[in-house]
Amino acid sequence: LAKTTQPISMDSYEGQEVNITCSHNNIATNDYITWYQQFPSQGPRFIIQGYKTKVTNEVASLFIPADRKSSTLSLPRVSLSDTAVYYCLVGGWAGNTPLVFGKGTRLSVIA
Amino acid sequence: GAVVSQHPSRVICKSGTSVKIECRSLDFQATTMFWYRQFPKQSLMLMATSNEGSKATYEQGVEKDKFLINHASLTLSTLTVTSAHPEDSSFYICSASRQGSNTGELFFGEGSRLTVL
Repeated sequence: LAKTTQPISMDSYEGQEVNITCSHNNIATNDYITWYQQFPSQGPRFIIQGYKTKVTNEVASLFIPADRKSSTLSLPRVSLSDTAVYYCLVGGWAGNTPLVFGKGTRLSVIA
Repeated sequence: GAVVSQHPSRVICKSGTSVKIECRSLDFQATTMFWYRQFPKQSLMLMATSNEGSKATYEQGVEKDKFLINHASLTLSTLTVTSAHPEDSSFYICSASRQGSNTGELFFGEGSRLTVL
């Protein structure tokens, strides 16, 4: 299972763009990169998923370089409600392989 | 999106009793479900993989006789914490993948907070 490394914490002011980078040097060919958000006392919530290049949805963008050894989650114009822990996970479905969580990045948005 | 529901969301029990937590996929079938445990300020720790119709696969260090997992249907997995002790107090979260998915996206339940007195 590919291991991921993220910054432990980040601070940002409201309205700014936040970029959280995740390293996954041992990513396998059939692995996808998925980011989850977790608020206290809640289950993680899916944010975005990608395989290569760039993916964008209504809440975030995901940038993946050609070597796929890292990825960057971009949150545009964060608000106080974006304060949460963000997890980068790498994996795919080969015999029901589970996703293993790293330590995540605790984002604090300040007014 | 797909919905996974857990019940109960909170439970308090006395030491020595058993507690059952249910995890349901409400609008899709899940051949496989995963159970995680999360202590305060820590990440989710995978406990076991629950497979419909077969025995669960436990992670190293997780006692299978203490954390009984049953996955009797494609929409329901249960985790029973037997003879609970205060150190079992934690946030238990289940997740499921949509049957046939090849992207690895997991849908998580709301979590169940267990407090053992």
